[in-house]
Amino acid sequence: EAGVAQSPRYKIIEKRQSVAFWCNPISGHATLYWYQQILGQGPKLLIQFQNNGVVDDSQLPKDRFSAERLKGVDSTLKIQPAKLEDSAVYLCASSSRRDRGLSSSYNEQFFGPGTRLTVL
Amino acid sequence: KQEVTQIPAALSVPEGENLVLNCSFTDSAIYNLQWFRQDPGKGLTSLLLIQSSQREQTSGRLNASLDKSSGRSTLYIAASQPGDSATYLCAVYYVKTGGFKTIFGAGTRLFVKA
Repeated sequence: EAGVAQSPRYKIIEKRQSVAFWCNPISGHATLYWYQQILGQGPKLLIQFQNNGVVDDSQLPKDRFSAERLKGVDSTLKIQPAKLEDSAVYLCASSSRRDRGLSSSYNEQFFGPGTRLTVL
Repeated sequence: KQEVTQIPAALSVPEGENLVLNCSFTDSAIYNLQWFRQDPGKGLTSLLLIQSSQREQTSGRLNASLDKSSGRSTLYIAASQPGDSATYLCAVYYVKTGGFKTIFGAGTRLFVKA
């Protein structure tokens, strides 16, 4: 099956500009995640969708970040306006609620290649 | 506070050596735990997912163990190869209303010398 797709792979912008990232999860996966990974750190969850509803956005800087998942499939993450500290890799992941029998692993996450954002 | 710590932060070993990466978590009420590999400039690749009821999981040269009561998981890599050089991350999952809460460690950067 096709993996999680993300675009663009790289983006360079100046501070105060806006930027948008796109994610297409694995077909049939109900849960979609956006993470921010700063160099040298582990990924930090920004927002989690279950179908097209938000499950967790407690760590999303809502004054500048927004995300949507219309129709419960693709998702976009937007930053407006960007700050220098937003320079990071933005990762999208998806997981399935499908029970796989004895080893139920429906929260197992699969990641896309990420978008590396540089804010100058 | 729920935290995940990975030690060491970086590791350099000669090819062929067996090695152990550590992941510790402060809240033992986990649902399950997942080990990932991340190559420079790339996304995360899932290696192993171990359920809270399991003691270990194996895939090829990789073996992940879990001791919930002590809040620890280890990833054992046998006969390391230069191609194993990457950053290894553990993610701990907790059940919460509406789904799961995921907490990542900062990773262990591994370099295997030829």
